Amino acid sequence: ILNVEQSPQSLHVQEGDSTNFTCSFPSSNFYALHWYRWETAKSPEALFVMTLNGDEKKKGRISATLNTKEGYSYLYIKGSQPEDSATYLCAFPPGGNKLVFGAGTILRVKS
Amino acid sequence: GAGVSQSPSNKVTEKGKDVELRCDPISGHTALYWYRQSLGQGLEFLIYFQGNSAPDKSGLPSDRFSAERTGGSVSTLTIQRTQQEDSAVYLCASSPPANTGELFFGEGSRLTVL
Repeated sequence: ILNVEQSPQSLHVQEGDSTNFTCSFPSSNFYALHWYRWETAKSPEALFVMTLNGDEKKKGRISATLNTKEGYSYLYIKGSQPEDSATYLCAFPPGGNKLVFGAGTILRVKS
Repeated sequence: GAGVSQSPSNKVTEKGKDVELRCDPISGHTALYWYRQSLGQGLEFLIYFQGNSAPDKSGLPSDRFSAERTGGSVSTLTIQRTQQEDSAVYLCASSPPANTGELFFGEGSRLTVL
C-alpha cells in the first residue's frame, strides 16, 4: 500500500488568517492528486483533481499546487472564514483507479 | 435523486448482529466505491466496483464483510456478526465513466456496534 501523508493533523486559525497544508505522496507512477473538503454532517466534496506537474488550481480563496517530481501538493486558503472549517483530504490513485486517502488536516477557523 | 444516497444514515446494533448498508449511486455512474472512517482514522478503502468487471475487494478487512452491486446500480455492504471495531462511518462514492476520477460521495452511514 502506498502512503499519502498529510500535515499538519489539525490547525486552528483566526478569521482572516491565510493558511496552508501539505500532502505528500509517492512520486513514481503518478496519475493524479485529489483534494476533497469534508464538512461535519455533510459528504466529502472534490475541490481539485490535479494531473500535471506544476499545476496550479484555484477556486475562490482556495488554491493548490502540485509537484509530481518530489511528490507533494500544497493547499492554500487565503483569508480563512469560519465556513472554511472542515477536514481537508488529499488522495492518490496508485494504479490509476481506487483512491488512497491521507488522514486529513482538520481546520478550525475562529471568528 | 441528484446525489449519492445512502441508508440508513445512522445504525446502532448489538455485537454479533448482521447489518446491511445501502448505496444508490448517481444515475449513469459506472464506478462505485465503499470507504469507511473509524474514529481518529483516515478514509479506508473497502471495495470498488467498475461496470461489469470483477470487484476489487482488496480493502475488505475480514470475511465478515461483503458487498454486491445489483444491475450495475444499487450496492449493499453487508457486515456479518458485527464487532465493536466495526463502528465507523461508511461512505459510498460513485464516479462517471471517462472523467477525471473525481468521486461523488454520499453522506455516509454511521454504524455503532454496542
